[in-house]
Amino acid sequence: AQSVAQPEDQVNVAEGNPLTVKCTYSVSGNPYLFWYVQYPNRGLQFLLKYITGDNLVKGSYGFEAEFNKSQTSFHLKKPSALVSDSALYFCAVRDMEDSTLTFGKGTMLLVSP
Amino acid sequence: DVKVTQSSRYLVKRTGEKVFLECVQDMDHENMFWYRQDPGLGLRLIYFSYDVKMKEKGDIPEGYSVSREKKERFSLILESASTNQTSMYLCASSLRQVFSGNTIYFGEGSWLTVV
Repeated sequence: AQSVAQPEDQVNVAEGNPLTVKCTYSVSGNPYLFWYVQYPNRGLQFLLKYITGDNLVKGSYGFEAEFNKSQTSFHLKKPSALVSDSALYFCAVRDMEDSTLTFGKGTMLLVSP
Repeated sequence: DVKVTQSSRYLVKRTGEKVFLECVQDMDHENMFWYRQDPGLGLRLIYFSYDVKMKEKGDIPEGYSVSREKKERFSLILESASTNQTSMYLCASSLRQVFSGNTIYFGEGSWLTVV
């Protein structure tokens, strides 16, 4: 069975500072890893994904994520946070042979002016 | 751009009513999904379908059924709504090829309140 852990319910960061939203995963084989963002009263928007290759993945809105196989982590990062980045962020994992995504519980990111 | 459309954004239903949540996608995706989102629990998979008339149970199928009569449409049915089914429901779709890391795309969500 696959699982995802997002250890922080909330992350607070000042505008202009770097941000990190943590994610660790567990799968039986090689993983596909995803980050989604959800703004209030909206659906989930795809940010980025790791399939294979370079461990550093770049995505939408200046976000990037680093895949670390030994630590089974896929942390989301951005060098300089914006107030408009404030939202709920979900990490998700899929086993290579599975069609479905398993999501973490989400991390609320609050960026203060 | 992929478009997944959930026809009802906000619904209020009474306990015991039969409820239909409709979802349509326009990208010819084989896979379609219904998730439920609750605070502190994240997203949980209710059902998914990988082809017309095919369905698979997800993690929390109890109290729900689904229908996929056409490739572009996937309906979630609450046979007899209960208050514990008050939630945000998210429909999603993707291509079927399982080894290619296909992205799953989501609709805007349907907020269901059962009173």
